Amino acid sequence: DVKVTQSSRYLVKRTGEKVFLECVQDMDHENMFWYRQDPGLGLRLIYFSYDVKMKEKGDIPEGYSVSREKKERFSLILESASTNQTSMYLCASRIGTGRQETQYFGPGTRLLVL
Amino acid sequence: DAKTTQPNSMESNEEEPVHLPCNHSTISGTDYIHWYRQLPSQGPEYVIHGLTSNVNNRMASLAIAEDRKSSTLILHRATLRDAAVYYCILRYSGNTPLVFGKGTRLSVIA
Repeated sequence: DVKVTQSSRYLVKRTGEKVFLECVQDMDHENMFWYRQDPGLGLRLIYFSYDVKMKEKGDIPEGYSVSREKKERFSLILESASTNQTSMYLCASRIGTGRQETQYFGPGTRLLVL
Repeated sequence: DAKTTQPNSMESNEEEPVHLPCNHSTISGTDYIHWYRQLPSQGPEYVIHGLTSNVNNRMASLAIAEDRKSSTLILHRATLRDAAVYYCILRYSGNTPLVFGKGTRLSVIA
């Protein structure tokens, strides 16, 4: 079974802290994604990556950065956490394109910024 | 990305078939129709996808209209575990991300 794991299920941080959310996939997928999910707003794409050391901005990249030094690991960084970044963060990885495509999600990290 | 339209919510009785509709009148010839679902307190999970022909797998069936302007996800026998938000997403085959809409919240009644 494909596994996408996220470093924490729940996280509490203070305003201004630097926060690292880690995501690891074990199936050698090239594509990885970070979304956030908020009530009434659905899933919104923050950043994605098609290969090691490559990154692309999604719809809401402000206040976030990412790192992909190894193929299996995609990190989301909140440079200076703010209360409006309290959210559920979901990582995903994807294999294949077209007919063979499947995207796999991690269980999510629920982040509370106080 | 082309847009999809889904009902906000639907209700089904347990062990009955469920037909979840999706309209996508602006679909292009290269857009695949993807379905994902999100169970409570979990990340989304892949259900099924197709291009033109109807598709079946162990979870569900996908019926695609001949003009491809609509599709229907069919759960053959709903269980309580199928209560989730179901997302219909169009995606061009290539390196573009999945873009999620609001989906349909399916409730299953015992």
